[in-house]
Amino acid sequence: QVQLVQSGAEVKKPGSSVKVSCKVSGGNVKNYGLSWVRQAPGQGLEWMGGIMAALRAANYAQKFQGRVTITADESTSTGFIEVNRLSSEDTAVYYCAGGSLYSGGKYHFDHWGQGALVFVSS
Amino acid sequence: EIVMTQSPATLSVSPGERATLSCRASQNINFNLAWFQQKPGQAPRLLIHGASTRATGIPARFSGSGSGTEFTLTISSLQSEDFAVYYCQQFNNWPPAFSFGQGTKLEI
Repeated sequence: QVQLVQSGAEVKKPGSSVKVSCKVSGGNVKNYGLSWVRQAPGQGLEWMGGIMAALRAANYAQKFQGRVTITADESTSTGFIEVNRLSSEDTAVYYCAGGSLYSGGKYHFDHWGQGALVFVSS
Repeated sequence: EIVMTQSPATLSVSPGERATLSCRASQNINFNLAWFQQKPGQAPRLLIHGASTRATGIPARFSGSGSGTEFTLTISSLQSEDFAVYYCQQFNNWPPAFSFGQGTKLEI
């Protein structure tokens, strides 16, 4: 059974960067589509971007282009998201979510990580 | 960018009754629609994909319908554990890109 296990909470200063990890346990990130979704306090879900390691392809929501980098390490079956130039508006729970690839590059959000709180404050 | 609009924002229903939640896409997304349930302090859970296919382990009282731009999630005979926030999500075929509706809170 696949489980997504994320790194822990982070407290960051404005202008700094944060990198959150997501280990695909019981599966292989190579055959997986993995996305990152964030949720600000009391707000809805916001898709940030995703990666398909087997296709070496990452894509991003337009809002995050140039400020977010999503990668995957097949050797450890772990995905990562790095967010640069943090501001207080980036305070949110960051979730990884994904599922097995099908039809050459589609996936559903069958599995979710437990979430990682990123708190940005001076 | 495809915008997803859910209605109503809040839906008040009694246990045992039927709940109908709506989701509209700003352009045709065929059947590329999923529904999620989120309870306080928890990660979302996939309920429906492909507009009408229940995910593994999802009870039959949850059903999805629609295509193109108009979609519906129906929960027949509400149970106490069904009171939560529900999100719809669309995805583009290639490259895979997703967006969520703003959510509908289902309350007692």
